[in-house]
Amino acid sequence: DGGITQSPKYLFRKEGQNVTLSCEQNLNHDAMYWYRQDPGQGLRLIYYSQIVNDFQKGDIAEGYSVSREKKESFPLTVTSAQKNPTAFYLCASRLAGGYTGELFFGEGSRLTVL
Amino acid sequence: RKEVEQDPGPFNVPEGATVAFNCTYSNSASQSFFWYRQDCRKEPKLLMSVYSSGNEDGRFTAQLNRASQYISLLIRDSKLSDSATYLCVGIIQGAQKLVFGQGTRLTINP
Repeated sequence: DGGITQSPKYLFRKEGQNVTLSCEQNLNHDAMYWYRQDPGQGLRLIYYSQIVNDFQKGDIAEGYSVSREKKESFPLTVTSAQKNPTAFYLCASRLAGGYTGELFFGEGSRLTVL
Repeated sequence: RKEVEQDPGPFNVPEGATVAFNCTYSNSASQSFFWYRQDCRKEPKLLMSVYSSGNEDGRFTAQLNRASQYISLLIRDSKLSDSATYLCVGIIQGAQKLVFGQGTRLTINP
């Protein structure tokens, strides 16, 4: 079955540690996205990528980094520079370009900083 | 001003009622919009796309008003299972960036 897989689902981190969240899709989508969601809030865009080896900052990119070495993979690293990293992180993908196309989401990763 | 804005609610309505909420957008170049539904602690899932001519899917109707720059979602004969957060999404910046509103929380009461 095609879809997006995020791992881990739950992650605990000590302050000062970097963590990497995995996002893999087998939908053959060109575009991939990372969003952050805080309790009771909407989704805020961290980074997005339209093509391999290229990505753009979203609205809240500070303290995060990404890579897009393969079409199917778009990992997100939460660095120690991110001041308030505890949140629900969602990865999504869609067919690139155009103004149509459903955004497919993974099940999310919950990061808690202790 | 946020690019896409929603009234966060919460909206509490009795089962069987009709409920409507809007989403406004600031970028007139925004081309396409969608409504997503998100259940508690789950990922969002597409509810419906929003077309200029308006579109209906069962009990749900979506409208786009370009002159006033808002989209709407109408739910008729609401069910308990409609309780969720509803997110509107706009595609802007040359179809590359998808921007979400903050979501509207809806609770249907028995």
